[in-house]
Amino acid sequence: DADVTQTPRNRITKTGKRIMLECSQTKGHDRMYWYRQDPGLGLRLIYYSFDVKDINKGEISDGYSVSRQAQAKFSLSLESAIPNQTALYFCATSDFRDGYGYTFGSGTRLTVV
Amino acid sequence: DAKTTQPPSMDCAEGRAANLPCNHSTISGNEYVYWYRQIHSQGPQYIIHGLKNNETNEMASLIITEDRKSSTLILPHATLRDTAVYYCIVSNFNKFYFGSGTKLNVKP
Repeated sequence: DADVTQTPRNRITKTGKRIMLECSQTKGHDRMYWYRQDPGLGLRLIYYSFDVKDINKGEISDGYSVSRQAQAKFSLSLESAIPNQTALYFCATSDFRDGYGYTFGSGTRLTVV
Repeated sequence: DAKTTQPPSMDCAEGRAANLPCNHSTISGNEYVYWYRQIHSQGPQYIIHGLKNNETNEMASLIITEDRKSSTLILPHATLRDTAVYYCIVSNFNKFYFGSGTKLNVKP
C-alpha cells in the first residue's frame, strides 16, 4: 500500500457541486499539505496542517476548505466547484526528523465542467 | 513565494552527466536546499537535500556554493527514465514553495 493515498484518482464534477478530495497516510507524520498543479506549472500550496488542531492557509486558499479528521487524514473540499478549479491535486506529508522533506500522494485529477 | 530561479528546460545525452543549476540568492542561514523531480503527472519524488556541504546519494550529487546562493544537481549518468521536471526548493522545514522547475530532456 502507498504511504500517502489520495481518493479519488480522477473525478469529473459539474459547476456548483460540492466535492471532497481525501488523503490518508501511513507514515505517522504530523504535517500534511494540499497542493494544486495546473498544466505546465509548478505546485501551489492550498492549505497545510502541522497537527490535528492546526490549519493554515497557503498561497491559494480561496474557494477551498480543509478538515484534519485525524493525524492520518486530511481532506480538501471545494464548496461550490468552478471550472478554473480544474487541476491536478496533490496531498503530501512531512516529518523533517527523517530529513527527507515531503512524501507525495499520486494525485487526484479533477475536472469541473 | 518561490525563492529559486531555474532554467525552464535543458537537454542531456543519455549516459552523460546532467548538471541542473539553481539560483537561490536570498536563502537564509537556516534554510536547506531540496531537490525533487516529477515524472509526467506523478507526485514529486525526493532526490536529495543539503545545507552547506556537498551531498551525494545513490541518485545524485548536490553541489552548493560556498556563499550558498546557488547550487547544482548532478545526475552522473543520465538515462531516458531521468526525463522529468526537476524542482529546486529552499525551505526551513515549514513548507515548500515550488517554482516552475527545469524540464530535463534526456535524449538517446
